[in-house]
Amino acid sequence: ETGVTQTPRHLVMGMTNKKSLKCEQHLGHNAMYWYKQSAKKPLELMFVYNFKEQTENNSVPSRFSPECPNSSHLFLHLHTLQPEDSALYLCASSQTGGASGANVLTFGAGSRLTVL
Amino acid sequence: GQQVMQIPQYQHVQEGEDFTTYCNSSTTLSNIQWYKQRPGGHPVFLIQLVKSGEVKKQKRLTFQFGEAKKNSSLHITATQTTDVGTYFCAGPPLIQGAQKLVFGQGTRLTINP
Repeated sequence: ETGVTQTPRHLVMGMTNKKSLKCEQHLGHNAMYWYKQSAKKPLELMFVYNFKEQTENNSVPSRFSPECPNSSHLFLHLHTLQPEDSALYLCASSQTGGASGANVLTFGAGSRLTVL
Repeated sequence: GQQVMQIPQYQHVQEGEDFTTYCNSSTTLSNIQWYKQRPGGHPVFLIQLVKSGEVKKQKRLTFQFGEAKKNSSLHITATQTTDVGTYFCAGPPLIQGAQKLVFGQGTRLTINP
């Protein structure tokens, strides 16, 4: 258990479905992230939230809709996805504003998404 | 945009052999971080280097940050089967915020026992 919990761990959905991924962090961090991990590609930053305000949208298609109701919870709402969106979606949290300016990520176990 | 390249992409060694992965950024980084992802797992933070030319050790692992803060390396001495996994470097560009970590594509290490 990393302190960052993601549900569901596995999700299979059709292209017309609507589903959501959930992330909860128990570390008291002030920032949360969504990353996408596809086979043979680097980890791709999708969204960043600081104190529940979105500060980064890395040109993500609108079929991915994030929601951050508070600093501990993060959702990724999915609708009309494509098969190429199949990937491991990783949530992470961090505590920003340290003396060294460091930003170390704690990742959740991920949600493995398959789009049929 | 900034790119972070890692070589090699794959490395297979006999248990007990050494292993090195190299990380090169197209831009100067404010710091470099290393993560390890076990098969079927998620990335786990290993270490962070901040200063130019910095070297840090964790038991059999040695991490270096280049003088120009654009490259880094991870060296494992006498690999063990527990070292299996994918090693990622990541760093935020100096001119951008610390939260815009750009990851390399990783080096996948497999070990023959």
